[in-house]
Amino acid sequence: DVKVTQSSRYLVKRTGEKVFLECVQDMDHENMFWYRQDPGLGLRLIYFSYDVKMKEKGDIPEGYSVSREKKERFSLILESASTNQTSMYLCASNPSGRSSYNEQFFGPGTRLTVL
Amino acid sequence: RKEVEQDPGPFNVPEGATVAFNCTYSNSASQSFFWYRQDCRKEPKLLMSVYSSGNEDGRFTAQLNRASQYISLLIRDSKLSDSATYLCVVDPSSGNTPLVFGKGTRLSVIA
Repeated sequence: DVKVTQSSRYLVKRTGEKVFLECVQDMDHENMFWYRQDPGLGLRLIYFSYDVKMKEKGDIPEGYSVSREKKERFSLILESASTNQTSMYLCASNPSGRSSYNEQFFGPGTRLTVL
Repeated sequence: RKEVEQDPGPFNVPEGATVAFNCTYSNSASQSFFWYRQDCRKEPKLLMSVYSSGNEDGRFTAQLNRASQYISLLIRDSKLSDSATYLCVVDPSSGNTPLVFGKGTRLSVIA
């Protein structure tokens, strides 16, 4: 079974804090993704990575950065958390090649609240 | 930019009903299409791919109309367990690019 795990299910942070969200997949997938999901806005892509040390901006990268030092781990960093970053964060992965051939597997999500 | 559009619903239907969702996409070069299902407070999971000739998986039928750029999902004999949000998903190009997700259509099947 493919497994994508995220470090926390629920997280509460204060405005201005640096926040790390960790994602680990155990299927040797090359591609990893970070999304946020908000009511009425659907899934929005923040950053993605096709390889170790590689990163690409998604649709809403502002206020976020990422790190991929190991193939299995993709971290999302909020340099200075703000209340408008309160959201559900979902990590996903799939094998390399055309994404259409490869099902994207999601982690269970981290619900982040910034006070 | 609204690449993939869906009616958000909610669709409230009785058990046993047939319900259909449509989805339109803007990029005519899109290559592949999918439906994902997301249960309340859970992550999205692949329900089925959508092939040009249309395809069926039990009570679920997916169809693609490239000329009109829309995709449909038909659910027959709805079950309570079908209650979820259904996400229309499009692969926008032939390269290794991220999938584009619609905002989802919420379905509630009522006893």
